[in-house]
Amino acid sequence: DQQVKQNSPSLSVQEGRISILNCDYTNSMFDYFLWYKKYPAEGPTFLISISSIKDKNEDGRFTVFLNKSAKHLSLHIVPSQPGDSAVYFCAATHSNYQLIWGAGTKLIIKP
Amino acid sequence: DTGVSQDPRHKITKRGQNVTFRCDPISEHNRLYWYRQTLGQGPEFLTYFQNEAQLEKSRLLSDRFSAERPKGSFSTLEIQRTEQGDSAMYLCASSPAGSADTQYFGPGTRLTVL
Repeated sequence: DQQVKQNSPSLSVQEGRISILNCDYTNSMFDYFLWYKKYPAEGPTFLISISSIKDKNEDGRFTVFLNKSAKHLSLHIVPSQPGDSAVYFCAATHSNYQLIWGAGTKLIIKP
Repeated sequence: DTGVSQDPRHKITKRGQNVTFRCDPISEHNRLYWYRQTLGQGPEFLTYFQNEAQLEKSRLLSDRFSAERPKGSFSTLEIQRTEQGDSAMYLCASSPAGSADTQYFGPGTRLTVL
C-alpha cells in the first residue's frame, strides 16, 4: 500500500510563474512532512518541512501547506526559476527515523 | 566538504558477486540511514543506526544484506550473492541527535548487477 502519493509524474511551468506540487497521504499517524529536490545522479536535497501542528511553513520562495483533514500537502514555488527543474519528492514520518516517500514529480521550468 | 559522502559512486558487478558500499555521515550526526531507490520510485527505507546500534531493519533487507557502523561514525552496506533485482541507487543519509526528522543525503551509489 502506498502511504504517500504524488499523482502527477510531471509538471511543466513557465519561468516566473508559480509551481504547485501536490502530495496525498493515507496514514493519519504521520506527524512530520518533508519535501526534497533531486537532480539526476545526485542524492535528494532537503528543501522544507512542516510539522503536523502547523498548516503552513515558508522559506524564501518555497511554501508548504498542510491540510490534515484532507491528508494533503502542497509545495508552492514562486517565482519559478530554471534551476528549480528537478524531481521533487514528498516524504512523511511518524517514527522519527523512517521516511516514507512518494514516487516524485518531475518539474520542468520553461524559459 | 562537510556533507554526507558515499563510495563508490558507481559499481558494476556480475550476478553472484559480493559488493560493499561505504557511507561517511556528517561528522556531528549520530543517526545514519540506508535507503534504496529504483527508477521512477521514491527511496525505500532499509535500515537505521543510532551511533553504532542498528535499531531498525526493513523487511526489504534480506539475509543477503548486512549493514554495520562499528564505531558510530562511517557505515558499510554489504550485499552478498548479488542478484539482478539488487540493481538500484543506494542512498545514505544522516541526521543529528534530537532532530531525526530532517535527513541529509549523500550522492548515492549506483549498483548495476549484470
